[in-house]
Amino acid sequence: EAGVTQFPSHSVIEKGQTVTLRCDPISGHDNLYWYRRVMGKEIKFLLHFVKESKQDESGMPNNRFLAERTGGTYSTLKVQPAELEDSGVYFCASSHGLTSSSYEQYFGPGTRLTVT
Amino acid sequence: SQQGEEDPQALSIQEGENATMNCSYKTSINNLQWYRQNSGRGLVHLILIRSNEREKHSGRLRVTLDTSKKSSSLLITASRAADTASYFCATKPTSTLTFGKGTMLLVSP
Repeated sequence: EAGVTQFPSHSVIEKGQTVTLRCDPISGHDNLYWYRRVMGKEIKFLLHFVKESKQDESGMPNNRFLAERTGGTYSTLKVQPAELEDSGVYFCASSHGLTSSSYEQYFGPGTRLTVT
Repeated sequence: SQQGEEDPQALSIQEGENATMNCSYKTSINNLQWYRQNSGRGLVHLILIRSNEREKHSGRLRVTLDTSKKSSSLLITASRAADTASYFCATKPTSTLTFGKGTMLLVSP
């Protein structure tokens, strides 16, 4: 079974440009999460999709970030315009369901974003 | 404020030695999880311990949980160079995981 995949693995852009990150969850997983780790700091939750709906987007830092999950399959996270403080590693994770047994989130390899 | 906080922030040991990392958290939990991140790779789930458990083993990993102190420890026995990674504890106070800053473990051959 394929795991969570993310594309690209690394992106270097200039301040003010736009970048779109993609996450493909494990097939059949309804839950999809985005997290971010800024250098030297903790991994922070950004948002949570259940199928195509945003369940919780309380962690999104500002309106320069837009996440979508059309059709409830893959998700994209767009940063527009990018700022220097957006640099970090963006992780995507997926999990099967909302029952109490579905604790484990499976993480992708992350996308390292560098804004110069 | 972060939920989980690991210490030490960095740990350097020799192969074969044991490594102990600690995690403290703030709110009540149903379970606590430990993850590992190797350089350039994603987060890998290591072990989950439920709030009614005090100790759990998985291979060379041993996790303890003290809910009265709101703390957990991860022990890696007989460490290997391949154990070099960042280790994070994570809790789930709401529907999503909350991570600490992590402990960076370096195991030298």
